[in-house]
Parts: sequence; C-alpha cells; structure tokens
Amino acid sequence: EVQLVESGGGLVQPGRSLKLSCAASGFTFSNYYMAWVRQAPKKGLEWVATISTSGSRTYYPDSVKGRFTISRDNAKSSLYLQMNSLKSEDTATYYCARLGTGKGYFDYWGQGVMVTVSS
Amino acid sequence: DIQMTQSPSLLSASVGDRVTLSCKASQNIYKYLNWYQQKLGEAPKLLIYYTNSLQTGIPSRFSGSGSGTDYTLTISSLQPEDVATYFCQQYNSWFTFGSGTKLEIK
Repeated sequence: EVQLVESGGGLVQPGRSLKLSCAASGFTFSNYYMAWVRQAPKKGLEWVATISTSGSRTYYPDSVKGRFTISRDNAKSSLYLQMNSLKSEDTATYYCARLGTGKGYFDYWGQGVMVTVSS
Repeated sequence: DIQMTQSPSLLSASVGDRVTLSCKASQNIYKYLNWYQQKLGEAPKLLIYYTNSLQTGIPSRFSGSGSGTDYTLTISSLQPEDVATYFCQQYNSWFTFGSGTKLEIK
C-alpha cells in the first residue's frame, strides 16, 4: 500500500524558514517524480514544486521560486521542502504527492501538514 | 498561465441523480485534464486522468469527457458518499487547479 506521511509543519514567523519532510513507503520511491501541493485554508489547490526521479531537475511556480527548494533522498525514500523567507500567504496545508507514470497527475497524496506563517 | 474555471461552485442534487460538473480552461489544453475528489478533512483523491481514464479503484459511475477548453465530470447515479469538493487540474503547461465544485445532497 502506497503511503506518504508528511511532517515538520507548525507556526513560524514571517521571514523565517521551515523544512517539511515526507516519508514514502509501499512503492519504489526512486522510480517516481514527486511533488508538493498546498491548499490555503478553505481555498483551492496550488502546485508548489516538482522533482525528477534522480533529483537533478526541479520545477517551481513563480510564487515560490527562489524561496522554496524541493529535494529528495532516494536511499531514505524521503522528500523534502525547504521553505525560506516565508510570507503570510504561504499559510496552507502542504501535501506531498506522487506523480503518476504520465507525470501529469498526482495519483497518491499524503494526509497533509499545516504551516502557519504569523507573527 | 492557464486559468481553470469550474462551474457551478455549489451543486445540490438528489441521490440517484445524474450530475455533471464543468471545467473550462483559458486556452486549449489538449485533453491534459484530471479530476480529483476531496472529502472534508481529507487529502484529494485522483478520480480521472487524461480527460477520461478512470483511476484504479474508482467506481464506474464516475466518467470524464471533453476536449479543447471544455471538460466535464459526470456521476451517473449520485451516492451519499459522493458528497465532496471536486477539482479539475490541467497539465498542458505546468499544473493549475480549478477552484472546485462543492457537491451536496439535496
């Protein structure tokens, strides 16, 4: 059974940093692109970052480019999101998600971890 | 950026009804369109990918169609467990989600 378990969320002040982790199990982690998707309270979904199987290629939308860094450790079946210079608009539930073989759809999601950016 | 517009934002229907949800892209997305179901307090779940391919384990009452800029998700016979918010997502150019349609039982 595919499982994705996020951790590392919490309350952080504007301008500070936070690192999220996602532990994967139930599939060969190194064979899949992975991503982070976020959802602000009572809002829609927003793609945040994608990483290739080896970790050599990463992709971000303009809203987080230069502030967020996605990485992975295939030996540990783990995905990470380093978030710097956090803003109040980064407040959201952050989901770790696996990209399906077509690389266009998110076929498995974690339960999500809440990040609140507030002074 | 490709914008995705879903309608209606709220839909109320009776058990057994045929329900249709709409999703419109701001430009041609060449069928690169997925649908997700999100129940209250849960993570999204993939229902349909590439417009009309049913994800493994999803009931056959769910189906998708469309082309160009206009896409639909159809539930052939609404069940109580289908109460949720439904999101469309394009991947013709990166990833963009619609704002969702909240489906409730009348």
